Amino acid sequence: AQTVTQSQPEMSVQEAETVTLSCTYDTSESDYYLFWYKQPPSRQMILVIRQEAYKQQNATENRFSVNFQKAAKSFSLKISDSQLGDAAMYFCAYRSARNTGTASKLTFGTGTRLQVTL
Amino acid sequence: NAGVTQTPKFQVLKTGQSMTLQCAQDMNHEYMSWYRQDPGMGLRLIHYSVGAGITDQGEVPNGYNVSRSTTEDFPLRLLSAAPSQTSVYFCASRRKPGQLANYGYTFGSGTRLTVV
Repeated sequence: AQTVTQSQPEMSVQEAETVTLSCTYDTSESDYYLFWYKQPPSRQMILVIRQEAYKQQNATENRFSVNFQKAAKSFSLKISDSQLGDAAMYFCAYRSARNTGTASKLTFGTGTRLQVTL
Repeated sequence: NAGVTQTPKFQVLKTGQSMTLQCAQDMNHEYMSWYRQDPGMGLRLIHYSVGAGITDQGEVPNGYNVSRSTTEDFPLRLLSAAPSQTSVYFCASRRKPGQLANYGYTFGSGTRLTVV
């Protein structure tokens, strides 16, 4: 079974600074997707960024980028020029590229709460 | 598009009561899932469906039933509520394999359920 580990329960960053959230995962599969979801106090789960395992290039979405290290099974999220609106819980998630049964489910880490200070 | 709509947003039940959490999506997504979110545990899969008439169990199915009579709707039924079912429930959907952009799930806004 796949597992996702987020070892930082809480992080803090000053506005306009850069912060990196860590995520490691365990899987025996070679083809899969990785995601970062943001959950603000509104409770909505918002997809921030995704990475396909077969792609060597790290994904980037505006101020958000990832460092995907497939061999090390590491998938960190970097937030540049942090803004007050970035304050939220961030979840790392894994999904197999297989589409049979529960293989298509998302496996989540326990989350990292990001605080943004002035 | 409304996306994934969950109702109600909040609910308080007494132990032993039953209720149905509603989930509807208007994106013609084949895959639909129910997750529960508990503090310190991330989200865990309760039940899922890969199309109308097809459902199966996830990681934590006990105490819950689902059905999928249409592509749009995927209700979650609590048969006899217990305090251990106090949680936040999310419904999520995505396109089926072979369709463009089928990799990501769209989530509803969640239902906070308290069982007393």
